[in-house]
Amino acid sequence: EPEVTQTPSHQVTQMGQEVILRCVPISNHLYFYWYRQILGQKVEFLVSFYNNEISEKSEIFDDQFSVERPDGSNFTLKIRSTKLEDSAMYFCASSFIQGTGELFFGEGSRLTVL
Amino acid sequence: RKEVEQDPGPFNVPEGATVAFNCTYSNSASQSFFWYRQDCRKEPKLLMSVYSSGNEDGRFTAQLNRASQYISLLIRDSKLSDSATYLCVVNPYNTDKLIFGTGTRLQVFP
Repeated sequence: EPEVTQTPSHQVTQMGQEVILRCVPISNHLYFYWYRQILGQKVEFLVSFYNNEISEKSEIFDDQFSVERPDGSNFTLKIRSTKLEDSAMYFCASSFIQGTGELFFGEGSRLTVL
Repeated sequence: RKEVEQDPGPFNVPEGATVAFNCTYSNSASQSFFWYRQDCRKEPKLLMSVYSSGNEDGRFTAQLNRASQYISLLIRDSKLSDSATYLCVVNPYNTDKLIFGTGTRLQVFP
């Protein structure tokens, strides 16, 4: 069964460091997303991406965050200068058609900022 | 009022029991609704969409009441493997900027 894969599964970093989280969406999917879940809290939308550009972003997705699809298969989330409050599980998701609500999530990348 | 509100539980039920979860949402213009399931420290997975007329998938039944802005999930004949957190999800503008509830935890015991 096709799946969304994410690396790394866990990253520990110092405050102020840059972090890149990587995702390989399902191959024929066209819409890509990043969500995050702070421990014990709800899953929150960060950004959606289609046709090589951001289609929507939340207020969480400030100038410290960026996304890129550098090579047609990977989809990355970069946090330029991490803060303690960026510690969370980051989920990549993809879908074939927009608006169905049927997103396929990866297993997540746990980010711990010290 | 929270965008999507759920009773966090936990609901502790024996195998074979019927259990129901409710959810309310604040945006009356919301277009589509879902139940996702999340196992401990895992990713959310779509369980089922929720249609206006109500829909059933095996032991699971979902219902929507637009007037009351209320969604429900009924699980019949609970299995141990149903133990998970059930996330009520709203897609307000059909853009897949999904709004998640905090989830309702279900624990099914033997």
